[in-house]
Amino acid sequence: GNSVTQMEGPVTLSEEAFLTINCTYTATGYPSLFWYVQYPGEGLQLLLKATKADDKGSNKGFEATYRKETTSFHLEKGSVQVSDSAVYFCALSDQPGSARQLTFGSGTQLTVLP
Amino acid sequence: GAVVSQHPSRVICKSGTSVKIECRSLDFQATTMFWYRQFPKKSLMLMATSNEGSKATYEQGVEKDKFLINHASLTLSTLTVTSAHPEDSSFYICSAGGQGGKMNTEAFFGQGTRLTVV
Repeated sequence: GNSVTQMEGPVTLSEEAFLTINCTYTATGYPSLFWYVQYPGEGLQLLLKATKADDKGSNKGFEATYRKETTSFHLEKGSVQVSDSAVYFCALSDQPGSARQLTFGSGTQLTVLP
Repeated sequence: GAVVSQHPSRVICKSGTSVKIECRSLDFQATTMFWYRQFPKKSLMLMATSNEGSKATYEQGVEKDKFLINHASLTLSTLTVTSAHPEDSSFYICSAGGQGGKMNTEAFFGQGTRLTVV
């Protein structure tokens, strides 16, 4: 079956540091890949997505590239802010073009210190 | 737009009692709702999918008599954990999808419910 393995947290960084959260997946076919973010007290929000190999998803300074050869979708940001403190989830869907039924990683807690 | 509200955010109950968790779409019609569960340090696992007016489809290994899902209206789905036991303690989160445009392909999440059974 499908699975997503995500870098364990928690991760603590200083403001303006570089962020990488690793994510690898196992799936048959060509899944769509997602990063969700959950801020304290809120629901998960879609941060970015990529639907085919070599696609790069980007939003709010975050980027992730769909690497089929390494089955990875690592999340990066060049300069984090305190407001980026949240839990980040990597996820996949094997339904083309859909972000509905998702397989998630375990989530990574990020804390950014001023 | 596309706001989903889940209630309660935290609940503590005694072993043997039942707990109901509500998931509401506030500004769209949720034709499909999904319920997930997360164990500590584990992934969010899909428990079941429900379409409005139909019986829920449960994932393999999820007890349908234990986790009752009702999706009687286009804005409300409920998950009832019946005869709860400490091993049911977990984080439960719902998501909802609608129809039209990105509503067809995206699901919007509630805030989640932390259930502790003592």
